[in-house]
Amino acid sequence: GAVVSQHPSRVICKSGTSVKIECRSLDFQATTMFWYRQFPKKSLMLMATSNEGSKATYEQGVEKDKFLINHASLTLSTLTVTSAHPEDSSFYICSALWTGGETQYFGPGTRLLVL
Amino acid sequence: AQKITQTQPGMFVQEKEAVTLDCTYDTSDPSYGLFWYKQPSSGEMIFLIYQGSYDQQNATEGRYSLNFQKARKSANLVISASQLGDSAMYFCAMIRNQGGKLIFGQGTELSVKP
Repeated sequence: GAVVSQHPSRVICKSGTSVKIECRSLDFQATTMFWYRQFPKKSLMLMATSNEGSKATYEQGVEKDKFLINHASLTLSTLTVTSAHPEDSSFYICSALWTGGETQYFGPGTRLLVL
Repeated sequence: AQKITQTQPGMFVQEKEAVTLDCTYDTSDPSYGLFWYKQPSSGEMIFLIYQGSYDQQNATEGRYSLNFQKARKSANLVISASQLGDSAMYFCAMIRNQGGKLIFGQGTELSVKP
């Protein structure tokens, strides 16, 4: 299957700092990437859809100024959690949609802990 | 509105036996896709199998098969010959017809006993 990487895999930061998470499709081009958030033992919650070369589309209730998304190339999307607070601590996972298909391939996820 | 339901929060199965994980869905769209993903404790989401709404045959991938019953709106995952490494969370998902968004079920935690 297609390979999607995510970096960093784990990050601990102080409250008030910003954290950038990268999502890369390694062996295919992805015009669309998705960002999810997942709490322990819960399902994935879609945060936003990231389209290459255009603004991201955020789901209802997700603050776009809090979670900045940039999709600068066909293989890279970034999620920046700005002014992070302890309640932002979570597992963030991205996926890339294989162009021409319907299957989303997921990155390994990033565990964020805000102290 | 589209919805995915997994009614089994947790399941146990003996090693080498088969297990069925339930998934029902609700949609008014004639065209849709159904997926199963596996999420081990490491957190990564592993794509297992896909079924298109117009596919005539049930999808199979190795030990995984999807029991697709369109009239009943169910898409159960069958894992044959369970292995200890199959212990994980399993998510059923449906693709929306706009923009490729996935809707996920609540998940089923499968534990394989030796």
